[in-house]
Amino acid sequence: DTAVSQTPKYLVTQMGNDKSIKCEQNLGHDTMYWYKQDSKKFLKIMFSYNNKELIINETVPNRFSPKSPDKAHLNLHINSLELGDSAVYFCASSPQTGGSEAFFGQGTRLTVV
Amino acid sequence: GENVEQHPSTLSVQEGDSAVIKCTYSDSASNYFPWYKQELGKGPQLIIDIRSNVGEKKDQRIAVTLNKTAKHFSLHITETQPEDSAVYFCAPSNFGNEKLTFGTGTRLTIIP
Repeated sequence: DTAVSQTPKYLVTQMGNDKSIKCEQNLGHDTMYWYKQDSKKFLKIMFSYNNKELIINETVPNRFSPKSPDKAHLNLHINSLELGDSAVYFCASSPQTGGSEAFFGQGTRLTVV
Repeated sequence: GENVEQHPSTLSVQEGDSAVIKCTYSDSASNYFPWYKQELGKGPQLIIDIRSNVGEKKDQRIAVTLNKTAKHFSLHITETQPEDSAVYFCAPSNFGNEKLTFGTGTRLTIIP
């Protein structure tokens, strides 16, 4: 039974389109994150949520809008996709904010053409 | 915010030899020191962690050592095997740390 699941695993789309990535965790964790991993493998935090509330927005363009309908879900919607948005996006969850293990999803490879 | 750096950024070792990766951090409040392994096509996964009341922890072929005074901790892998080839990340933090910052990553390649 997958702990943190993301869909889709691959996403290829044209510039200017709008797309969403879904994330669900069945671990009962309070905290969820979105990370962007570029081609050099740097893991850059985008958003942190705790109990459905946004607590960190790490200077991400407002074309990116996360939504947490409940504690177990954190979806990422991206408007007007640009070539530079191509990357692997990871969702993660942890029992608390900091000081504990983070559990990652399998990642979504987004390619904007 | 926390500055987290890893060295080296790439490391190649012969199978059977040892590998050491170092993580330096800036936030003296950090008290949780994990290492994650990311295999190709997967998300990072915790392989070992240590808390600040302990200086060293070992789990079979992997170990983590902590120097809180100097603000660095290291991952040690002994008797390396091909399946150890991956990208490794550190992510020091403390409870209440809303921004979970990962290190710059180290790509480890084991040469058969």
